[in-house]
This record gives sequence, C-alpha cells and structure tokens, in this order.
Amino acid sequence: GAVVSQHPSRVICKSGTSVKIECRSLDFQATTMFWYRQFPKQSLMLMATSNEGSKATYEQGVEKDKFLINHASLTLSTLTVTSAHPEDSSFYICSAIDRGTSNEQFFGPGTRLTVL
Amino acid sequence: QKEVEQNSGPLSVPEGAIASLNCTYSDRVSQSFFWYRQYSGKSPELIMSIYSNGDKEDGRFTAQLNKASQYVSLLIRDSQPSDSATYLCAVNLVYSGGGADGLTFGKGTHLIIQP
Repeated sequence: GAVVSQHPSRVICKSGTSVKIECRSLDFQATTMFWYRQFPKQSLMLMATSNEGSKATYEQGVEKDKFLINHASLTLSTLTVTSAHPEDSSFYICSAIDRGTSNEQFFGPGTRLTVL
Repeated sequence: QKEVEQNSGPLSVPEGAIASLNCTYSDRVSQSFFWYRQYSGKSPELIMSIYSNGDKEDGRFTAQLNKASQYVSLLIRDSQPSDSATYLCAVNLVYSGGGADGLTFGKGTHLIIQP
C-alpha cells in the first residue's frame, strides 16, 4: 500500500525559531500533497494544498509567509513554520495523493510541534 | 461556511453489537465522503470511502450515503474493543477556499467498545 512518512515525528523548539517538517511519499509519486493541523480535541483543519512544481494554495486564515510550503519533487513536500510561537504548537499532518491512480489521500504519521 | 457535523460522543457500545456513527454536511456540492479512524496521538486511517447514494460494505463496515438528506453514516458490525477510537467523517468539497481537493473533517465521534 501507499506509504507516507513525516520527519521529525516530534519537535520541541524555542519561541522565535523556525522548524521544518518533511513529508515524503515512499512508494508512489505524489502529484498533490496537503498539510493539515490538529489542535487538541479538535478536528483536522486543512492548511494548504501543494502541487509539485507550483506555489501552494493556502486556506483562508492561514498565513503563507509564516507557513512556507515547498513541493520541489514528486515525493517530497516541506512545511516550514517560521518564527514559531506557542500558539503554533499543534499536530501537523500531511497527506499525499496520486491523481494518476485515485483520489484517495494517504496520511503521514504526523509531527507533534511544541513551541516553548 | 462549509461544515461537517458529528456527535462528539462518547458513544458506548457493548462488544459484539453494532456501532452506528452519523455525520451531516452542509455543502450540497460535496462529491466524496470518507470515514477515518484515529487513535489518540496518531494520524487518521482510512476506513471507508463512498461516492454515490446507497450502501457500501467492506467486511464489518458499512457506509451509507444519502445526498438528498446530506447525511452519511458508518455501521460497524460485531464491534471489537480494538474498534475503540475516534471516527472522523470527511467530505471532499469541490471548492475549499482555493484548495481543490482538500478534505473537510468533522470533529469526530469518540467510540468506546465495552468488553
């Protein structure tokens, strides 16, 4: 089956620093990747959609200058949280889709970000 | 405002019984519907997808879709303690603030299967 990995699985950083999260599709080419965020006791909220080789599309209310997304290859997308603050602490989950086969989204295991 | 509504629960069901999970959505142009299972601290795992009205069965799981009522449900037969988790209903909207195929999730129903 399709496998999506994320790295790191958990990160703790100081306020004001930047954190990069990687999302990789291991056995398929991901034409589109999505980034979601989940706060405690809340559901997943779509942050942005990234298509390989083009700029990401951000959901309303998500600051594109704060959450930098790069989808440089068909197997890798990165999310950089710039100048992180405690309110950015959350569970960040990516998903990937291979439009050539189906529209099913395959989710990564998530990254737990804690900003002190 | 595009919304997906679920009863947060907890829904407690005895082992071996049928668990019934419900979801309503607000946007009539929604095309695809999914049920995910999420264990605490983990990412969602796809259980079922359904695209057309009616029932779809896969093992112990049955998804039901009624687009006229904007309602989708998940039945779990012969419930097992390992089925205890949060079940998320997700809808694929045609338009989602610029994201073409991103999913809109409900808050989830916490299901507890009592041994």
